[in-house]
Amino acid sequence: SQTIHQWPATLVQPVGSPLSLECTVEGTSNPNLYWYRQAAGRGLQLLFYSVGIGQISSEVPQNLSASRPQDRQFILSSKKLLLSDSGFYLCAWSVSSGRRTDTQYFGPGTRLTVL
Amino acid sequence: DAKTTQPNSMESNEEEPVHLPCNHSTISGTDYIHWYRQLPSQGPEYVIHGLTSNVNNRMASLAIAEDRKSSTLILHRATLRDAAVYYCIRDNAGGTSYGKLTFGQGTILTVHP
Repeated sequence: SQTIHQWPATLVQPVGSPLSLECTVEGTSNPNLYWYRQAAGRGLQLLFYSVGIGQISSEVPQNLSASRPQDRQFILSSKKLLLSDSGFYLCAWSVSSGRRTDTQYFGPGTRLTVL
Repeated sequence: DAKTTQPNSMESNEEEPVHLPCNHSTISGTDYIHWYRQLPSQGPEYVIHGLTSNVNNRMASLAIAEDRKSSTLILHRATLRDAAVYYCIRDNAGGTSYGKLTFGQGTILTVHP
């Protein structure tokens, strides 16, 4: 069966510090991968998605970046965190059939607080 | 722009049916309707999706209006574990969506014992 892992689970970082969040998927190959952010309240914002190694599409211009160094690894980074980067970061995967009905499976999330 | 409208919150009693409405008046003929839910402090999980016909699975039923401008997620017997935020999502048409989902604010469902 497929599983998705994210770490760390929680993180408290000072403003201006770097960030690296990791997401890995097991039990599938060549998945589509997604990074979402959920700020205080509800509603998820899609940040990045990837359809293959080294292929990253950005949805929202910001000081975050994403990389996919391996097929089932997706990394979210920042060189300098802002207060507004605080939130709940969720990684998700789906099969890569390209159909709009493909279910997205979400990880447990990382709760980031920037002070 | 989530392109769907849902009530901010709803309440139900345990073991009663729950009907969660969603309006998507600008939906195009090829847009699917997806429902996900998010339990507290967890990532969202898939519930159901549909295009034109009503759909049933082990979690819920999805009733889609004939004109497709609205739909209703039906939980047949609510349990305390169904308390969550429910998102109605219209997928991004255009043929290049790669499964991108736009989550709105959703409906907070409270289930009373």
